[in-house]
Amino acid sequence: KNEVEQSPQNLTAQEGEFITINCSYSVGISALHWLQQHPGGGIVSLFMLSSGKKKHGRLIATINIQEKHSSLHITASHPRDSAVYICAVSNDAMGNYQLIWGAGTKLIIKP
Amino acid sequence: NAGVTQTPKFQVLKTGQSMTLQCAQDMNHEYMSWYRQDPGMGLRLIHYSVGAGITDQGEVPNGYNVSRSTTEDFPLRLLSAAPSQTSVYFCASSYSLSLNTEAFFGQGTRLTVV
Repeated sequence: KNEVEQSPQNLTAQEGEFITINCSYSVGISALHWLQQHPGGGIVSLFMLSSGKKKHGRLIATINIQEKHSSLHITASHPRDSAVYICAVSNDAMGNYQLIWGAGTKLIIKP
Repeated sequence: NAGVTQTPKFQVLKTGQSMTLQCAQDMNHEYMSWYRQDPGMGLRLIHYSVGAGITDQGEVPNGYNVSRSTTEDFPLRLLSAAPSQTSVYFCASSYSLSLNTEAFFGQGTRLTVV
């Protein structure tokens, strides 16, 4: 079982729909990252959070430490949101400088 | 401010050839790392560095060497390319040694070994 699991693996939705991507992890963490990767492009950091909720524009990220679960929401989705969304966790309390990565969720928003 | 510059963007190698993937950042970041990304899998850490002169192995280091002679540069060397090294490679950096800071990524290198 992977230490970081994302669901769904693939998601296709119509423009305007509310999108939720989930990330569950089985290890102790000090932070969780959400990143975005466009087709053929680089990887961009969206959020880094260790508790609660963060919002940036139409993107909202939440984390529940007790349940070891995080969600990334996109409101009023748009075709330009089509990308792979990746969850990664870190626990550098013991000097471990390695992120543990999910496999990503491929999102397609149709106009 | 260029951020993380990674070159080349595409490369085709023959089995047994060697090459160096370049990575440079101009943000004075201490932590730099190299990942490979394969279909259906999460990013896998190859090597990382927590400062000039300090490198360490990640999850999949075999077949790769790194060095960190300056804060800015962190090249990845393939010693003798194999088809199993066909992948997309990403270089990343972050400000502090804590991973609880934003990571910045290069644009990626798509490497094919034939």
